[in-house]
Amino acid sequence: DVKVTQSSRYLVKRTGEKVFLECVQDMDHENMFWYRQDPGLGLRLIYFSYDVKMKEKGDIPEGYSVSREKKERFSLILESASTNQTSMYLCASSRGGGAHNEQFFGPGTRLTVL
Amino acid sequence: AQSVTQLDSHVSVSEGTPVLLRCNYSSSYSPSLFWYVQHPNKGLQLLLKYTSAATLVKGINGFEAEFKKSETSFHLTKPSAHMSDAAEYFCVVSDHETSGSRLTFGEGTQLTVNP
Repeated sequence: DVKVTQSSRYLVKRTGEKVFLECVQDMDHENMFWYRQDPGLGLRLIYFSYDVKMKEKGDIPEGYSVSREKKERFSLILESASTNQTSMYLCASSRGGGAHNEQFFGPGTRLTVL
Repeated sequence: AQSVTQLDSHVSVSEGTPVLLRCNYSSSYSPSLFWYVQHPNKGLQLLLKYTSAATLVKGINGFEAEFKKSETSFHLTKPSAHMSDAAEYFCVVSDHETSGSRLTFGEGTQLTVNP
């Protein structure tokens, strides 16, 4: 069974802290994505990666960075957390080769920044 | 540029009655279209997808959607709602030519099923 796992389901951090969100997939997928989900806004793409050590900005990259050192792992980094980054964060992966490929999602990390 | 609009933020139906969740899209090229479902405290799951084959697409759990290019719509339907269908549903569009593997999500429709 395909699987995308995220390191934490719930996380509470303080303003200014550096935060790492980890995502691992076991499907040997080329593509990995980070989204944030907020009520009434759907999912918005933060960053994505088509290959190891490769990253591209999504629609809302400000305040975030990413790292992909291995194919199966994609990390989202909040360099200095702020209260407006309180949200649900979802990781996804898909096979390369086209827009028709299904994205598989992890269960999400609900981050609260105090 | 691609975009998607879900016309209802909330839909409420009685168990056993039909479900209709409406979605309109905008895409410069031939799009791929998806419906995803998110049950409470669960990750998103693919319900069905359209990728330029048959315009009527059947998905899991009795759901189906029809791609109508002339109306730029991709509405989701189910003949008879079940309590377990209560969830949030997302319409999603992607066109490979301009966005690669990127998806654009609608804002979501919350489906409530009443006994």
